[in-house]
Amino acid sequence: AQSVTQPDIHITVSEGASLELRCNYSYGATPYLFWYVQSPGQGLQLLLKYFSGDTLVQGIKGFEAEFKRSQSSFNLRKPSVHWSDAAEYFCAVEPGSARQLTFGSGTQLTVLP
Amino acid sequence: KAGVTQTPRYLIKTRGQQVTLSCSPISGHRSVSWYQQTPGQGLQFLFEYFSETQRNKGNFPGRFSGRQFSNSRSEMNVSTLELGDSALYLCASSLGTGPNTGELFFGEGSRLTVL
Repeated sequence: AQSVTQPDIHITVSEGASLELRCNYSYGATPYLFWYVQSPGQGLQLLLKYFSGDTLVQGIKGFEAEFKRSQSSFNLRKPSVHWSDAAEYFCAVEPGSARQLTFGSGTQLTVLP
Repeated sequence: KAGVTQTPRYLIKTRGQQVTLSCSPISGHRSVSWYQQTPGQGLQFLFEYFSETQRNKGNFPGRFSGRQFSNSRSEMNVSTLELGDSALYLCASSLGTGPNTGELFFGEGSRLTVL
């Protein structure tokens, strides 16, 4: 069965600093990969997705992620964090046509002024 | 375009009762998935419906059930509630066909508290 690991439970960065959130997955083939964001009391919003092709994908709100097959990783990055980025971030995988997402445990992002 | 709508947003039940949660997907979306979110277990897949048929099911007991109507609206039901069923229940809709099946649009959730 597939699994997703987000090793950082909580990350704190200063506004304007760069950000990288880590995600590693375990699956026999290349799954579909996603990053979602959840603000307090809200549902999840899709930031970006990787299905195939270019390993660097661009998403909304200035986020990007890079798929590295050799490391089974799909890390999320942002060059300059804004206070409004404070939220919980979830990495997720879908193994092809399984039509269900397996989520990581999430990384809580705090942004300092 | 209206988003995914879940009702009710908040509810409190007691052990042994049952609960029904409703989800209206984005217009044109034929797939509805349900997820349970708890602090201890995180986000876990419950089931997915497409064109009124359950297409996929997660590892939850039979107390958890769902259905989908011809207009793609979906309901999930939990019978004989237990304290551990307290959670945020998230509904997500998608087109359900084509390559973007994992591109889910989530509602704000129904927060269930079991006393």
